[in-house]
Amino acid sequence: EAAVTQSPRNKVTVTGGNVTLSCRQTNSHNYMYWYRQDTGHGLRLIHYSYGAGNLQIGDVPDGYKATRTTQEDFFLLLELASPSQTSLYFCASSDDRTGGLYEQYFGPGTRLTVL
Amino acid sequence: TQTVSQSDAHVTVFEGDSVELRCNYSYGGSIYLSWYIQHHGRGLQFLLKYYSGNPVVQGVNGFEAEFSKSDSSFHLRKASVHWSDSAVYFCAVSGNTNTGKLTFGDGTVLTVKP
Repeated sequence: EAAVTQSPRNKVTVTGGNVTLSCRQTNSHNYMYWYRQDTGHGLRLIHYSYGAGNLQIGDVPDGYKATRTTQEDFFLLLELASPSQTSLYFCASSDDRTGGLYEQYFGPGTRLTVL
Repeated sequence: TQTVSQSDAHVTVFEGDSVELRCNYSYGGSIYLSWYIQHHGRGLQFLLKYYSGNPVVQGVNGFEAEFSKSDSSFHLRKASVHWSDSAVYFCAVSGNTNTGKLTFGDGTVLTVKP
């Protein structure tokens, strides 16, 4: 089973602060995703990538940057954090080479609070 | 653009009962459908998926789902629930775009009482 880890698990920052959320997957999946989850909503896709150096825009990208440095590592960057970005962030991965493109493996989540 | 609707925000049943969690979608073309489970404080876990073939698909832990094109539905069912099935269940859809992008419903909170 794919292992997806996220760090930190909890983060508190202030408005205007700079935050980086990290995600690593160890099953050699080519696709990786960043979602945010808010009360009363399902998951909403922020950015995704299908390989190192690739970045695709998701459905709610405003205020977020992302970078995929290696096959394993995908980072989400909030350069000027705002209270509206207080949320639970999930990273996920999947692999289209084995027919599992739509079977995503999720990390445990990072809870971000912007004061 | 695909959309997905889970009409029941909360469902409460007793242990041993059967349960059906509803999911309806809208999309004009070929579609991938899946269900995920999220236990409290955890990430989502994949349960099952459908793309083509037998409209009834089996998943882990006794869950199954049935696709209906005429009803635009993909309801999740379990014949006899256990207290450990208490969780939030998300239906997800994707058009066949080869992007891996999923659109999630808002989730259904299933509470199983002893």
